[in-house]
Amino acid sequence: AQSVAQPEDQVNVAEGNPLTVKCTYSVSGNPYLFWYVQYPNRGLQFLLKYITGDNLVKGSYGFEAEFNKSQTSFHLKKPSALVSDSALYFCAVRDGSNYQLIWGAGTKLIIKP
Amino acid sequence: DTGVSQNPRHKITKRGQNVTFRCDPISEHNRLYWYRQTLGQGPEFLTYFQNEAQLEKSRLLSDRFSAERPKGSFSTLEIQRTEQGDSAMYLCASSLQGTGNTIYFGEGSWLTVV
Repeated sequence: AQSVAQPEDQVNVAEGNPLTVKCTYSVSGNPYLFWYVQYPNRGLQFLLKYITGDNLVKGSYGFEAEFNKSQTSFHLKKPSALVSDSALYFCAVRDGSNYQLIWGAGTKLIIKP
Repeated sequence: DTGVSQNPRHKITKRGQNVTFRCDPISEHNRLYWYRQTLGQGPEFLTYFQNEAQLEKSRLLSDRFSAERPKGSFSTLEIQRTEQGDSAMYLCASSLQGTGNTIYFGEGSWLTVV
């Protein structure tokens, strides 16, 4: 069965420090991996995705994510956090045979000044 | 703005009343999705259209819920005889066909049933 795990409910980072939000997945076929961000009372905004190719994917707002097939992970990273990055982050996966996205539970990212 | 548009953004209704939400997807997108999200949780899939055909409905979608996409463009989600448990944000999203294509979300429609 397909699944996504975001092991941390909350991540706290000081402004200017690097941040990592973790995501691991399980799919039967080749994974298509996505990160979305959600600000309070707003919809989900697409950040980046991995379909194929280079394992390091760059996305919006300076975020990037690294696909690691052996560890079945797709961690979201940013070299220098901003207070405005504080939000809820969701990882999602689908395999090539399924239109549906399977969602992680979300990680609340808090960036402290 | 050519993103996914949802209205109304907020709706407060009394228990037992019917409500309808509208979604206008990105114009060239042939797939349209409805999700429900409660506070602090991830989105829950409700239903999905490819063009005008409703191809799947979640078991979460009771008989009180109905969705349409009559001309393969905009969609409506109607909830009949609302219950307090229906209070949530209803998210619409759209994409092009293809598993690698990105699903883009609207800003959501908040429903509060009192």
